[in-house]
Amino acid sequence: NFMLTQPHSVSESPGKTVTISCTGSSGSIASNYVQWYQQRPGSAPTTVIYEDNQRPSGVPDRFSGSIDSSSNSASLTISGLKTEDEADYYCQSYDSSNQGVFGTGTKVTVL
Amino acid sequence: QVQLQESGPGLVKPSQTLSLTCTVSGGSISSGSYYWSWIRQPAGKGLEWIGRIYTSGSTNYNPSLKSRVTISVDTSKNQFSLKLSSVTAADTAVYYCARGIPAANFDYWGQGTLVTVSS
Repeated sequence: NFMLTQPHSVSESPGKTVTISCTGSSGSIASNYVQWYQQRPGSAPTTVIYEDNQRPSGVPDRFSGSIDSSSNSASLTISGLKTEDEADYYCQSYDSSNQGVFGTGTKVTVL
Repeated sequence: QVQLQESGPGLVKPSQTLSLTCTVSGGSISSGSYYWSWIRQPAGKGLEWIGRIYTSGSTNYNPSLKSRVTISVDTSKNQFSLKLSSVTAADTAVYYCARGIPAANFDYWGQGTLVTVSS
């Protein structure tokens, strides 16, 4: 089964930059688009990045996404970290059967 | 603005069938090339994709749940539904319905509904 693995948690100070990785277990992560969701406690997830590196309207350009085929991983970078960015973040893609797969999730703490 | 709202029992007994409905408002469930999904999240844990349906009726299910899951759509009511049979405590979770863009993201989500499996 295709899996997406993320670090359990990352933390950084306000104004700094954090990068969250999302590593595919098999195949090429570049074969399907990767999305990133932000989930605050008690709320449904919302999209911060879709199609690898696209931002929905309303998402600040402090959020960016990228793909690294050499490490078979995707990354979400949050620059100029703000306290409001403290949340859980999930990557999401599709397996070889085009079925949805979510990453394990990363808790971002703003110190 | 598309909105999704889950509804159904919040408590289900072990071995019984969990049934949820998602009502779509602000647009026709049949318009566009979207698909309609169910996703769940146990307390303190990550998101799990349950499955999806296109308004053509075509479905895909998570292999780990496939033997117990049925997703259906009622375009006349602008709703789609989830049935999960033979539930156990491990099926206790917040269940979300969501609209999916093929090969891309889930752009609209319901608020989620907690379903507890307990006798």
